[in-house]
Amino acid sequence: KAGVTQTPRYLIKTRGQQVTLSCSPISGHRSVSWYQQTPGQGLQFLFEYFSETQRNKGNFPGRFSGRQFSNSRSEMNVSTLELGDSALYLCASSEQRGGYEQYFGPGTRLTVT
Amino acid sequence: KNQVEQSPQSLIILEGKNCTLQCNYTVSPFSNLRWYKQDTGRGPVSLTIMTFSENTKSNGRYTATLDADTKQSSLHITASQLSDSASYICVVSAARDAGGTSYGKLTFGQGTILTVHP
Repeated sequence: KAGVTQTPRYLIKTRGQQVTLSCSPISGHRSVSWYQQTPGQGLQFLFEYFSETQRNKGNFPGRFSGRQFSNSRSEMNVSTLELGDSALYLCASSEQRGGYEQYFGPGTRLTVT
Repeated sequence: KNQVEQSPQSLIILEGKNCTLQCNYTVSPFSNLRWYKQDTGRGPVSLTIMTFSENTKSNGRYTATLDADTKQSSLHITASQLSDSASYICVVSAARDAGGTSYGKLTFGQGTILTVHP
């Protein structure tokens, strides 16, 4: 089976812009979770989608949103970008909610200038 | 507040030596504890997953232990190799609580950066 794929791998945006990141889970996986990773804060949970519904949400402002499509692919959107949004954004997929066996993608490196 | 603390923050060892990384957690209710290895610029890769009833699990040269009473876990790496240089992250998953809101929520440690020198 192909692994979790994320596009794009690298992205440079300016403050105030918005960005959309994409994640394709492993075939058959219905849960997709998103994480932000920065050197200072480590890995932080953004949200989890399962069967096109957001099931869990971390402590991030409303500028961070996501959605999941019927084929389980997921997108994450960040509006009104801030410098502090520069990070590695990881998505992970699993068969079931709660992600007992969770597989991570390679991440999207977002740089906000 | 759910927390996961790892120690040491960083560690340098010589190739061939053993090392042990520590993880203390306060996540409740507890579901499972995972150790991930993350190479620079890549996504984390799962090494072990342990539930409440498991107190040790191995994956090649990696052996994880779990003491659910003291809420401590360790990851022991035997006969280290240069390719073991990475960040090792301890992650604890919450079980379903009465309100059903904690289910599956993951709490991450800050990681231990391991450097193996030849």
